[in-house]
Amino acid sequence: KAGVTQTPRYLIKTRGQQVTLSCSPISGHRSVSWYQQTPGQGLQFLFEYFSETQRNKGNFPGRFSGRQFSNSRSEMNVSTLELGDSALYLCASSLTGGLAGVSTEQFFGPGTRLTVL
Amino acid sequence: QKEVEQNSGPLSVPEGAIASLNCTYSDRVSQSFFWYRQYSGKSPELIMSIYSNGDKEDGRFTAQLNKASQYVSLLIRDSQPSDSATYLCAVNIPPGTYKYIFGTGTRLKVLA
Repeated sequence: KAGVTQTPRYLIKTRGQQVTLSCSPISGHRSVSWYQQTPGQGLQFLFEYFSETQRNKGNFPGRFSGRQFSNSRSEMNVSTLELGDSALYLCASSLTGGLAGVSTEQFFGPGTRLTVL
Repeated sequence: QKEVEQNSGPLSVPEGAIASLNCTYSDRVSQSFFWYRQYSGKSPELIMSIYSNGDKEDGRFTAQLNKASQYVSLLIRDSQPSDSATYLCAVNIPPGTYKYIFGTGTRLKVLA
């Protein structure tokens, strides 16, 4: 079974630009979560989608947004890029993301390395 | 207090020894706990999940959960140099949501 895929793998942008990252979950997985990883802050939760609905959101500014399509593929968008947005952006998929208080296992994609100049 | 705390390390152990990695969490009613391994420049890889108090073994790995003490640990037996990586603890906080909080990770070095 194919794993989580993310495109592109590397991006270089300049301040003020916007960027869209894509994630295709493991076949059959309906929950997709996005994380930002930086050396200083570690892995920070951005948001989670299930059946095209955002179910939870982390503490990030509104410049960070996402969506999920009917085939469970997801995109995240960052507008008006800042230098501090340089990070590894990780997508993770799980079967359901959690029901009745019990969360299912998440599997990560290889990530998109974003550099903002 | 951070929601999920880990000692950043590095934790150095000789080859063949047992490595013990620890994680504490803030939400007493959390129910889902995960350990990931991350090699430098790579994405996290799931090692173990644990949901009930006690031990769960998978090969050389054992996860231990103590909900009363809000403590989860990972033991690696017969440590190998290839186990050298950063180990991340993740907890579903708050429970019933779809949000996973990660610790900052413990860097493990296994010395040949």
